[in-house]
Amino acid sequence: AQSVAQPEDQVNVAEGNPLTVKCTYSVSGNPYLFWYVQYPNRGLQFLLKYITGDNLVKGSYGFEAEFNKSQTSFHLKKPSALVSDSALYFCAVRDKVGTGGFKTIFGAGTRLFVKA
Amino acid sequence: GAVVSQHPSRVICKSGTSVKIECRSLDFQATTMFWYRQFPKQSLMLMATSNEGSKATYEQGVEKDKFLINHASLTLSTLTVTSAHPEDSSFYICSARDSRSSGANVLTFGAGSRLTVL
Repeated sequence: AQSVAQPEDQVNVAEGNPLTVKCTYSVSGNPYLFWYVQYPNRGLQFLLKYITGDNLVKGSYGFEAEFNKSQTSFHLKKPSALVSDSALYFCAVRDKVGTGGFKTIFGAGTRLFVKA
Repeated sequence: GAVVSQHPSRVICKSGTSVKIECRSLDFQATTMFWYRQFPKQSLMLMATSNEGSKATYEQGVEKDKFLINHASLTLSTLTVTSAHPEDSSFYICSARDSRSSGANVLTFGAGSRLTVL
């Protein structure tokens, strides 16, 4: 089965500094990888995905992620953090189910705190 | 963009009663919807995959008879927590994918339903 791991429960960064939220994956075959964000009192929102193509994927709110096959990583990055980026971030992978079906498996989540 | 509506957002019930949570795709058809459960400070745990017109596929360890899922139309899936007990108190989240769009791999989530069983 496919899985993702987020080694950090929490990441603290000062506003204006670059941020990285780590994710490693374990898949058989080509990975379909995603990042989602959960803001307080709001539903999860899609940030970005990697299916194929360029290893550097750009997403919403200035976030990007780099797919690194040799390190089996898909770290989320942003050059300059904002206080409003403080939220819970989930890495996810698509796992095949049966014939033609799939399900999405989420990592444990990483809480990002951006301090002003 | 795709929107998923989930209702109710909060529900409090007595132990032993049943609670129904609805998940609707508002502007797209969803042949498949997913139900997740999120514990405090924990990740989303996939409970089941809801398939329109057929039985749901439950994840290992999820009680089918306790968490009844019905996906009667292309825009509506319901989760019924039967004979709820305090340990069922949790945050339940549904999601769906618009299978017709190029973003078919992306999930759109409802805002979640917080269930408290007294």
